[in-house]
Order: sequence, then structure tokens, then C-alpha cells
Amino acid sequence: EVKLLESGGGLVQPGGSMRLSCAASGFTFTDFYMYWIRQPAGKAPEWLGFIRNKANGYTTEYNPSVKGRFTISRDNTQNMLYLQMNTLRAEDTATYYCARGFYGSSRDWGQGVMVTVSS
Amino acid sequence: DIQMTQSPASLSASLGETVTIECLASEDIYSNLAWYQQKPGKSPQLLIYYANSLNDGVPSRFSGSGSGTQYSLKINSLQSEDVSIYFCQQNYDSPYTFGAGTKLELK
Repeated sequence: EVKLLESGGGLVQPGGSMRLSCAASGFTFTDFYMYWIRQPAGKAPEWLGFIRNKANGYTTEYNPSVKGRFTISRDNTQNMLYLQMNTLRAEDTATYYCARGFYGSSRDWGQGVMVTVSS
Repeated sequence: DIQMTQSPASLSASLGETVTIECLASEDIYSNLAWYQQKPGKSPQLLIYYANSLNDGVPSRFSGSGSGTQYSLKINSLQSEDVSIYFCQQNYDSPYTFGAGTKLELK
């Protein structure tokens, strides 16, 4: 069974940083693209970016809305996915999901973790 | 960015009815279109990928169609458990973008 479990969310002040983690299990982690997606309350999801699989060199792709502030990485020895978020703004407040890629879509999602950016 | 215009924004239908949700892309996305279902307080769940391929475990009353810029999700014989918000997403070109969603309720 595929499982994705995010952690690391909470309250952070504007301008601050936060790192989210996603623990993956139930599949061969290195075979898959991994995505981060966020969803503000009551709104549509927003795709943040992905990190490619081993066959594609673990390279990354970002939404321009977060490029330069957010960094996606993975630890393939621990089956962990990360999202480092810097210079956070109020508009970054959302539930953040990790997801397993599948033909460009997101086949499996974590339960999500809330991030609130507020003073 | 590719814009995804989803319609209607909300929809009320009766049990057993057939409903259709549309998604219009601002440019050709060559069938790189996914549909998701999201129930309150839950993560989105993949229904359809590559415009018309049913994800494992998804009931056959769900189907997707379309090409070019126009796509649709059809739900046959609406069930009570289908009450949800539905989103389309293009994954042809980065950034992958979502439609604004369709809230499906029972009449």
C-alpha cells in the first residue's frame, strides 16, 4: 500500500523559513517523480513543482510563483521528500501535499500539512 | 501559463442522473488532462488521467473524454458518495495548472 505522510507544518512569521517532509512507503521511491502541491482553504490546488526520478537524474521543476524561494529535494536512502520554503509570505498559507507522480498526474496524495504564515 | 476554465462552478443533480463537467484549456494540451475528486477535509483523489484513462479502483460510472483544448468528465447514475468538488489539471506544460473546481451537490 502506498503511503505518503507529510510533517513539519505549523505557524511561521512572514519572512521566515520552514521545511516540510514527506515520508514515502509502499513503492520503489526512486522510480517515481514526486510532487508538492498546496491548497489554500476553499480554493483550488496549486502545483508547486516536482523532482524527477532516478532515470531522469532527480532534476527539479518549479512553478514560477515559488521559484527561487522554494526548493524540492529528496533523500532516496530514507524514502523522504522535502520542501524547503524561504521568505514566506501570508499568501503561502495553505495545506501542503506531497504526491506521487503518474503520467504527469498525481496518483497518490498525502493527508496534507497546514502551514500558516502570520505574525 | 496554461489557463484551465472549468464549468459549471456548481452543480445540483438527483440520484441516478448523469452529470457532465467541462474543462477548457487556453491552448492545446494534447490530452494531458487529469480529473480529481475531493471530499470535504480530504486530499484530492485521482479519477482520470491522460483525459480518458480510469485510475485503478475508480467506479466505471466515471469517464473522461476530450482532446485539444476541450475536455469533460461524465458521471453516470449519480450516487450519494459522488458529492464532492471536482478539479481538472493540465500536465502538458509547466506549471501544471488546475481548474477552479466544480462543487457537485445532490438535489
